[in-house]
Amino acid sequence: ETGVTQTPRHLVMGMTNKKSLKCEQHLGHNAMYWYKQSAKKPLELMFVYSLEERVENNSVPSRFSPECPNSSHLFLHLHTLQPEDSALYLCASSQDGILTGGGTDTQYFGPGTRLTVL
Amino acid sequence: AQKITQTQPGMFVQEKEAVTLDCTYDTSDPSYGLFWYKQPSSGEMIFLIYQGSYDQQNATEGRYSLNFQKARKSANLVISASQLGDSAMYFCAMSYMDSNYQLIWGAGTKLIIKP
Repeated sequence: ETGVTQTPRHLVMGMTNKKSLKCEQHLGHNAMYWYKQSAKKPLELMFVYSLEERVENNSVPSRFSPECPNSSHLFLHLHTLQPEDSALYLCASSQDGILTGGGTDTQYFGPGTRLTVL
Repeated sequence: AQKITQTQPGMFVQEKEAVTLDCTYDTSDPSYGLFWYKQPSSGEMIFLIYQGSYDQQNATEGRYSLNFQKARKSANLVISASQLGDSAMYFCAMSYMDSNYQLIWGAGTKLIIKP
């Protein structure tokens, strides 16, 4: 596997379900990100981890819970979601992350998980 | 406020023609970075090219070049000799110091290459 991988690619869940999205990066990067992409809206940054420590949480509802057990893996745990949470969830990684990288720290993305909440 | 504007929601271009996708930005920060990403219908966001605010020359990566006009605050993406596989959404994004280098994203341009 190379680059950034995400599983599952598609997920349909009911509002009472609990599910998790998984992201893995094979680039040796120190920072990982979760983004939400809804139709006709700009990409929204949800969470940032740098060296396994959460450094940014952009006012995301508590029904989204991130976990970063090591610098290569990132999870997004989902519970009691709403239909408006249906979107493409993208994971990204970068070499240094927000605290140290500066403007040149390029983010590399996975293929995304397309989530539908019924 | 920091902002990225992409004024072309959609574009149709004939195969093999050159394409220019517009991006203007607004920041008072002297240090910033500008990025272009491509997103095919499959969903993956693919990094194309980067331009730093202090870079003297326009960035180039294969068929992609960035027309950086600092005074006008524009960072247009130029794709030479377009191919059918270039059909996708294209996003311009900016990082700047005061945001802790979070990316600010434009709304995107949908590019369709006609055979």
